[in-house]
Amino acid sequence: GENVEQHPSTLSVQEGDSAVIKCTYSDSASNYFPWYKQELGKRPQLIIDIRSNVGEKKDQRIAVTLNKTAKHFSLHITETQPEDSAVYFCAPQSGTYKYIFGTGTRLKVLA
Amino acid sequence: DGGITQSPKYLFRKEGQNVTLSCEQNLNHDAMYWYRQDPGQGLRLIYYSQIVNDFQKGDIAEGYSVSREKKESFPLTVTSAQKNPTAFYLCASSPQGASYGYTFGSGTRLTVV
Repeated sequence: GENVEQHPSTLSVQEGDSAVIKCTYSDSASNYFPWYKQELGKRPQLIIDIRSNVGEKKDQRIAVTLNKTAKHFSLHITETQPEDSAVYFCAPQSGTYKYIFGTGTRLKVLA
Repeated sequence: DGGITQSPKYLFRKEGQNVTLSCEQNLNHDAMYWYRQDPGQGLRLIYYSQIVNDFQKGDIAEGYSVSREKKESFPLTVTSAQKNPTAFYLCASSPQGASYGYTFGSGTRLTVV
C-alpha cells in the first residue's frame, strides 16, 4: 500500500531561525501535495499546497518544494515565530479522493 | 467553523453503547471524510464518501458505520464493536477530486466512561 514518511518527528528551533520538514511518499501517481498545521486541541488547517507541475511555491514565510522524481516534498518556514509552534502534517494525494497523512512533525519555536 | 460543523464537541460513551457523531457542511463539497486521531498520532481514515448514497471503507473502518443520505451530511456511528473508541474524531470535506485539500471540522472528542 501507499507509504508516507515524515521527518523529523520533532524539531526545535530558535525564534528567527528556519525550519525544514521533509515528506517522502511512495505513490508515483500522486500529483497534489498539501501541508497542514494543527495547533494543540484544534483541527488541522491547510497552510500551503503544491501540484506536480510546479517545483516550488512560496507564501510569505512558508514555502513548499517538490522533487517528484525522488518522491519527496518539503515544508520550509523562515524567520520562525512562537506562533509557528504546532504539529505539521504532510498529506500527499493517493487516488482520486484520498490523502495519506504523515505521522506529523512537532515544531517548537523557542523564544 | 469555516462551513463544516461537527457536534457535539465532547461525547461520553458507556461500554456497549452506540453513539453518533454529526458532521454537516454548507460548502457544496462532493466528498466527505472521517478521520480518527489518537494522542500524539497522525490521522487515520475511517470512511469516506465521494457522492450521495455511496461511501467506502478507509484503513480502520471496523466498528464504525456511516451514511450519506444528503450531500451536506455525513454522520459517523461508533458501534459497540469498536473496542477502543476513545479518540479525537475529525470530519473533513473536499470539492470533487483530490486536488483541493480538505476543510476540517473542529472535531469531536469521544471518551469511554
